[in-house]
Amino acid sequence: GAGVSQSPSNKVTEKGKDVELRCDPISGHTALYWYRQSLGQGLEFLIYFQGNSAPDKSGLPSDRFSAERTGGSVSTLTIQRTQQEDSAVYLCASTDGLAIKAYFGPGTRLTVT
Amino acid sequence: SQQGEEDPQALSIQEGENATMNCSYKTSINNLQWYRQNSGRGLVHLILIRSNEREKHSGRLRVTLDTSKKSSSLLITASRAADTASYFCATDPGGNDMRFGAGTRLTVKP
Repeated sequence: GAGVSQSPSNKVTEKGKDVELRCDPISGHTALYWYRQSLGQGLEFLIYFQGNSAPDKSGLPSDRFSAERTGGSVSTLTIQRTQQEDSAVYLCASTDGLAIKAYFGPGTRLTVT
Repeated sequence: SQQGEEDPQALSIQEGENATMNCSYKTSINNLQWYRQNSGRGLVHLILIRSNEREKHSGRLRVTLDTSKKSSSLLITASRAADTASYFCATDPGGNDMRFGAGTRLTVKP
């Protein structure tokens, strides 16, 4: 594919609602990462998928956050019962599995009102 | 959790000057990478240095790695206004995962 794509690019939701963020990695890339970035801050690791292995969920901040990767390709990050502190840019990246030269999507800017 | 920590947090220089950013990390790594981010969106890969390398060049970029001190530096020579961005180091503490630091915000004044 042309690159990593994410949708939506912007999402405004009310506190308490559930949201789904989508990431389409580069075709053939076996590793997929989700990060969260609050305004002016660094990247907070959320979750990492590598092929058919169990994902590394160690970065998920609470049980309101979950992610899945279907068919080893598209990934969906779900945030249930959103809170205002969930407002951030959610970034997805993919690599060929060697953690070298990650390709990032443009991010989804989530605003919880 | 973050693995790398960049310093300074912010750096402001004049066009033409050199910019140096540092990254420190905590555990053993296979590789260390530097990325650039414009406008708070997706990051772009700049350069990778392997744990058995000490220095690497790419255009106006020079990266050094000192595994004994668990630190790396990124030097941008002859900076341009277009270099204004945030710069992040990324390490692979678990082998295939990638952890980023908080970044250095570089401003190059024309």
